[in-house]
Amino acid sequence: DQQVKQNSPSLSVQEGRISILNCDYTNSMFDYFLWYKKYPAEGPTFLISISSIKDKNEDGRFTVFLNKSAKHLSLHIVPSQPGDSAVYFCAAQARTTSGTYKYIFGTGTRLKVLA
Amino acid sequence: DAGVTQSPTHLIKTRGQHVTLRCSPISGHKSVSWYQQVLGQGPQFIFQYYEKEERGRGNFPDRFSARQFPNYSSELNVNALLLGDSALYLCASSRGQGSGANVLTFGAGSRLTVL
Repeated sequence: DQQVKQNSPSLSVQEGRISILNCDYTNSMFDYFLWYKKYPAEGPTFLISISSIKDKNEDGRFTVFLNKSAKHLSLHIVPSQPGDSAVYFCAAQARTTSGTYKYIFGTGTRLKVLA
Repeated sequence: DAGVTQSPTHLIKTRGQHVTLRCSPISGHKSVSWYQQVLGQGPQFIFQYYEKEERGRGNFPDRFSARQFPNYSSELNVNALLLGDSALYLCASSRGQGSGANVLTFGAGSRLTVL
């Protein structure tokens, strides 16, 4: 049962335009969300996060929006640059049965920014 | 500063064999988590260790085991390898147990191929 879903496996955007990556989740108990970026042959790199008490968080060219009623979050990248081409994973923080935390990842969206 | 380091980077095993993967966390990080990423999927949680104790376990069979040493480095062991164990195994570290802003920093992974 996929609790975090990224329904678009790939996205192509022209350099300078906005990239919008989407993510849906099913568990209303999730209270912290993260976006990671992954280049080939590297591990995922933390990009930006958002707590459920907020609906928006910005960091430079990256903004994450959270719509709790729709159980949906999105990552906006503007302006998009060729170096942003990577696989982007959405993740939700969830408690384990022993009370610690784990991340539940979506399947990723491959972003290609065209020069 | 060194990031999360994992070894080996690549390895090939045959069905039924055993494998040990190693991870050194970022200096000062006391928590290590292991994730499995199968091709085309997002990373899936296997284990979390904090202060040398197992604090969380994902939905993986008992063939998977791990431990954390006094210097906070960690090993992941997989026995009786199956073809389906072929994946990228990611290690991540954090100062605390990965809650809220205590985000995970990932290593580049160990790519295991089972023939």
